[in-house]
Amino acid sequence: QVQLVESGGGVVQPGRSLRLSCAASGFTFNIYGMHWVRQAPGKGLEWVAVISYDGSNIFYADSVSGRFTISRDNSRNTLYLQMSSLRSEDTAVYYCAKKYEGSIFEAPDSWGQGTLVTVSP
Amino acid sequence: DIVMTQSPLSLSVTPGQPASISCKSSQSLLKSDGKTYLYWYLQKPGQSPQLLIHKVYNRFSGVPDRFSGSGSGTDFTLKISRVEAEDVGVYYCTQSTQFPVTFGQGTKLEIK
Repeated sequence: QVQLVESGGGVVQPGRSLRLSCAASGFTFNIYGMHWVRQAPGKGLEWVAVISYDGSNIFYADSVSGRFTISRDNSRNTLYLQMSSLRSEDTAVYYCAKKYEGSIFEAPDSWGQGTLVTVSP
Repeated sequence: DIVMTQSPLSLSVTPGQPASISCKSSQSLLKSDGKTYLYWYLQKPGQSPQLLIHKVYNRFSGVPDRFSGSGSGTDFTLKISRVEAEDVGVYYCTQSTQFPVTFGQGTKLEIK
């Protein structure tokens, strides 16, 4: 079955950078788009970014555009989120999620367990 | 951005009774490809979200048939025909017709 395992979270100071990874297994990674979605402590869900199966189409939330970069390595079945200029409001659990089959506009159908990023002095 | 508004924000239901959650979008979710990219998720306590319904009314694999989705345009509904104890958690409606993907505020379902 689909397995998504995020890693790379931790405590980081404001203004610093962090890279999250998501190891995918149980499905053919290179034919599915992938999303990052985050959830601040005790809050709702906030979409971060999406990347198409081949990396040719990428979209970001305005709140992270210019600071975060989504990418993928299909040879390693791995999704990435490079986060820079981190702010306290970026503190959240970050989920990687597999896109439902079909167009780039399909939402996630499977989610990882998430990795916590805490931005604090 | 498309704003998703859910109601109610919380509900308490007796097991075996029905439940209904409304979701309204600030713009039509019907895309030029003829599809309506409206989804429903359940986030059980301490867990990641799980997909229940995709594109308005399609149950995802393994989702019990007591869950059903309906609606069109800007008005959508998730119904649970007979609530069970395992249905507790927060329900989110989500649109991906237009980026950015946006979520409703969430509706917390509790068991009486």
